[in-house]
Amino acid sequence: AQRVTQPEKLLSVFKGAPVELKCNYSYSGSPELFWYVQYSRQRLQLLLRHISRESIKGFTADLNKGETSFHLKKPFAQEEDSAMYYCALSGRGSSNTGKLIFGQGTTLQVKP
Amino acid sequence: DTEVTQTPKHLVMGMTNKKSLKCEQHMGHRAMYWYKQKAKKPPELMFVYSYEKLSINESVPSRFSPECPNSSLLNLHLHALQPEDSALYLCASTRAPNEDGYTFGSGTRLTVV
Repeated sequence: AQRVTQPEKLLSVFKGAPVELKCNYSYSGSPELFWYVQYSRQRLQLLLRHISRESIKGFTADLNKGETSFHLKKPFAQEEDSAMYYCALSGRGSSNTGKLIFGQGTTLQVKP
Repeated sequence: DTEVTQTPKHLVMGMTNKKSLKCEQHMGHRAMYWYKQKAKKPPELMFVYSYEKLSINESVPSRFSPECPNSSLLNLHLHALQPEDSALYLCASTRAPNEDGYTFGSGTRLTVV
């Protein structure tokens, strides 16, 4: 079964603290993994994709195929990072139908 | 233009009404999508259009009828909806169906009364 699991509904940290948003997946094949962010009253935006291996707004995510995880990390949280974060997957290449499967989302709350 | 534009932003309709949601993009993307998002839940796929043809229908009730008149435009026609259909309806596009990196619109918040 294709599934994305984000175990934490809410993660609350203080400004300057490290952040790790957990994501585990189940997929038969090689998936593409993404993190999307939804700031309050704004549209859903792509934050990271595993294939590009880039760092956006200080966030990084490494695909661990052994643990089937794609955790999102940032060493020092900022108040403006407060948002809903969704982990998502799709198929890769010819197995990509265009369907994006989302996790349930984690609300990150960064306190001053 | 690097955006997906959805209109209207808000819509209130009665259960006997017929209305349409509109989505437009001018990025040359050839795959377009409708997602439904309930409050504090992730988006759920409804339909995928690939090169203006319907390629995926996620068993959506027939009271939702998608249409893709051209490569830039995607409509969702609504008829005889139920209160539980109230949600945020998101449109998205990608360069091609098997290419990643969705661009999402800001959504239409639909309330069925």
